[in-house]
Amino acid sequence: QKEVEQNSGPLSVPEGAIASLNCTYSDRGSQSFFWYRQYSGKSPELIMFIYSNGDKEDGRFTAQLNKASQYVSLLIRDSQPSDSATYLCAVKGAAGNKLTFGGGTRVLVKP
Amino acid sequence: DVKVTQSSRYLVKRTGEKVFLECVQDMDHENMFWYRQDPGLGLRLIYFSYDVKMKEKGDIPEGYSVSREKKERFSLILESASTNQTSMYLCASRGGQVVNQPQHFGDGTRLSIL
Repeated sequence: QKEVEQNSGPLSVPEGAIASLNCTYSDRGSQSFFWYRQYSGKSPELIMFIYSNGDKEDGRFTAQLNKASQYVSLLIRDSQPSDSATYLCAVKGAAGNKLTFGGGTRVLVKP
Repeated sequence: DVKVTQSSRYLVKRTGEKVFLECVQDMDHENMFWYRQDPGLGLRLIYFSYDVKMKEKGDIPEGYSVSREKKERFSLILESASTNQTSMYLCASRGGQVVNQPQHFGDGTRLSIL
């Protein structure tokens, strides 16, 4: 079992709709959780981080964390074609300095 | 804004060569990381460093070494390049020990080994 799992997609979403991305992790002691966006041929860029249970909103993005169920999700409201990218979930475990990345979910927003 | 600079965007080398990939960050970050990214395999950690002259193996260190002589610079070394090391290499840095500090990535080096 992978430490951080994401559905690879592609997740096809009509423009203006909500895109919902999920990520599960295996280390129950994980402390902080990050969502990165990566356009094709580019490096990952940070969208949001969350470390407390519940929701965290930033513009059109909402991160949701449920530590009891070991999942974190990302909602993209009013999806735009420019949101088409691969979204990487990253988790910092209970120990050490490193992040563990999921394989990413590819999102396609269709006009 | 954090700036992580990788020395080359594209690099072509030959099998058996010793290859150096350089990464420099301008934010006085303690932690620096080297990843490779391959289709279907995601981002995999090769090595990381949490201080000058300190290094730790990541998930796939075989065939690689690293050097951190100065805080701002972290070098990845392919001792004897092989074709299976053709990949996108990404450097990242992160400051301090605060739990929610994000990692910032460089633009990546696409390395081809012929």
